[in-house]
Amino acid sequence: NAGVTQTPKFQVLKTGQSMTLQCAQDMNHNSMYWYRQDPGMGLRLIYYSASEGTTDKGEVPNGYNVSRLNKREFSLRLESAAPSQTSVYFCASSNAWLGEKLFFGSGTQLSVL
Amino acid sequence: DAKTTQPNSMESNEEEPVHLPCNHSTISGTDYIHWYRQLPSQGPEYVIHGLTSNVNNRMASLAIAEDRKSSTLILHRATLRDAAVYYCIRELTGGGNKLTFGTGTQLKVEL
Repeated sequence: NAGVTQTPKFQVLKTGQSMTLQCAQDMNHNSMYWYRQDPGMGLRLIYYSASEGTTDKGEVPNGYNVSRLNKREFSLRLESAAPSQTSVYFCASSNAWLGEKLFFGSGTQLSVL
Repeated sequence: DAKTTQPNSMESNEEEPVHLPCNHSTISGTDYIHWYRQLPSQGPEYVIHGLTSNVNNRMASLAIAEDRKSSTLILHRATLRDAAVYYCIRELTGGGNKLTFGTGTQLKVEL
């Protein structure tokens, strides 16, 4: 049982380059989330998708776009990467009912030079 | 405001119980309290959650104060593998399971 799978695990970009972070879950969860974690900080919500076909902004959405490709997959795109987007990115999924638990992927370490 | 307050760090000896406190004085009646932990270089991992009464599972126990303004995560016998950052999170009613992580408590476990 893979759970939440993120690719790639590591990525280095130059300022202005674009890239897409991929996330897939195999637990048939309705909701998926993208968080970022800066050094020494807690996680901050970037975007979330409550169900297939819907997406909404979280706490720090600027500079990012998302796509809920189907129920399993939720991608995060950086159109023009900036050094301030250097961070560890985590994808999570849940059934989104009140009190449900989130399942997290192992993260993508992104460095923007 | 979904903020919770936790100590920045705590220390424990192996095989001893650990009590990790959390203050959530502005909690509403239907907000859940979640605890997650994050081991080094890993994603957060669910530990336990509760609403009003105390909860137990194979990992830990959660004691919620009668007025719900605070809670305590209890690790019954700490091991070196329990060294992690522990996050106490208040899930807002109607929040769509969107959890707001603070900076958590860094738990150090020593032999």
